Amino acid sequence: DAMVIQNPRYQVTQFGKPVTLSCSQTLNHNVMYWYQQKSSQAPKLLFHYYDKDFNNEADTPDNFQSRRPNTSFCFLDIRSPGLGDAAMYLCATSPGGTTRTDTQYFGPGTRLTVL
Amino acid sequence: KNQVEQSPQSLIILEGKNCTLQCNYTVSPFSNLRWYKQDTGRGPVSLTIMTFSENTKSNGRYTATLDADTKQSSLHITASQLSDSASYICVVSARSGGYNKLIFGAGTRLAVHP
Repeated sequence: DAMVIQNPRYQVTQFGKPVTLSCSQTLNHNVMYWYQQKSSQAPKLLFHYYDKDFNNEADTPDNFQSRRPNTSFCFLDIRSPGLGDAAMYLCATSPGGTTRTDTQYFGPGTRLTVL
Repeated sequence: KNQVEQSPQSLIILEGKNCTLQCNYTVSPFSNLRWYKQDTGRGPVSLTIMTFSENTKSNGRYTATLDADTKQSSLHITASQLSDSASYICVVSARSGGYNKLIFGAGTRLAVHP
């Protein structure tokens, strides 16, 4: 059963043309994350939502925005994609809270190509 | 600065052989350590998770160890299979507010050859 779903799996956009990536979850988790992963590199956290609270990483470019209209959905908006934004974008969720074993569950990723 | 270092960067083994991957970390405050397997073009999948009080955890042919004193972990794969070919990522969680912030290692790329 799919738990963290990302659409589309592959996205091609043009330089400067806005693009939106989608993530949905069936786990009812409080926290949703967006990561950027470039080839042969570790995933890099862009931002996360704890419920409706948005938390941006200090080095995330302004070009990247996010929306979470409800518990199940979270969107990544890239306002003006550059060639350097071509990457795999991973969505993850976790229950949150105080447990030390709070586990993040990753979606399959969306591979973004910028032409 | 929170860091996770993995070795080797890449590894080639023959099917049926065992291998051990290493992870050293400097992360504070430490919450847990997790090994993920990431197939090419897919999202990471959790293999094992250990808190500071656990020093070994098994999941089938995967066995992870943790030495919280020396801040080292290893992932041992026994009787490797072709499907084990993937990147193995050591991820250490640092407690940050109400959630665990993940510090990722760069991964070890394992190739299992017939």
